[in-house]
Amino acid sequence: GENVEQHPSTLSVQEGDSAVIKCTYSDSASNYFPWYKQELGKRPQLIIDIRSNVGEKKDQRIAVTLNKTAKHFSLHITETQPEDSAVYFCAATTDSWGKLQFGAGTQVVVTP
Amino acid sequence: NAGVTQTPKFQVLKTGQSMTLQCAQDMNHEYMSWYRQDPGMGLRLIHYSVGAGITDQGEVPNGYNVSRSTTEDFPLRLLSAAPSQTSVYFCASSATGGTGGEQFFGPGTRLTVL
Repeated sequence: GENVEQHPSTLSVQEGDSAVIKCTYSDSASNYFPWYKQELGKRPQLIIDIRSNVGEKKDQRIAVTLNKTAKHFSLHITETQPEDSAVYFCAATTDSWGKLQFGAGTQVVVTP
Repeated sequence: NAGVTQTPKFQVLKTGQSMTLQCAQDMNHEYMSWYRQDPGMGLRLIHYSVGAGITDQGEVPNGYNVSRSTTEDFPLRLLSAAPSQTSVYFCASSATGGTGGEQFFGPGTRLTVL
């Protein structure tokens, strides 16, 4: 089955700097890659997603890139703010229902 | 719209006890699923359903049962609780499946098994 690895496990950045989280997946048939943000004590919420027919997608300060050849995708957060502090999860799926395989998560801490 | 709701929010069980975690959604979503979240392990799929009357196993199904008698409800049953089932449990629903639809998560149930 699909295996998703996520790095780093923790990331500390200065406010205003950029943050990058990388994920690799094992199944070349994976075709949907969402990213979820989970604030402390809250539920995960979708922040951005990308499909295999697209190489990059942006939404304000957040962008995701996908390299199908290398089987990895990345989340980029620019101009980080304290409210970006959270755990971020990447995920991948191959089937139409979407049994998401999640990465282990990245704890992002934005320091003023 | 309440979205996805879960009860209880917290629960403490003794080893061997059974209980049911409740999950309901009011968005008329066909797809529902249960995940457990453990430190350093992300979210792992326990069971999922693609519609009323249809369920299937996910990555970590042992010790859990599910049923889906209505579109709205998807309860998770722990048959005989074990300390290894101490975790945070999230229910999620989506309209069209993972490749096309956002999964909406409930607020979670924090379960401790002593």
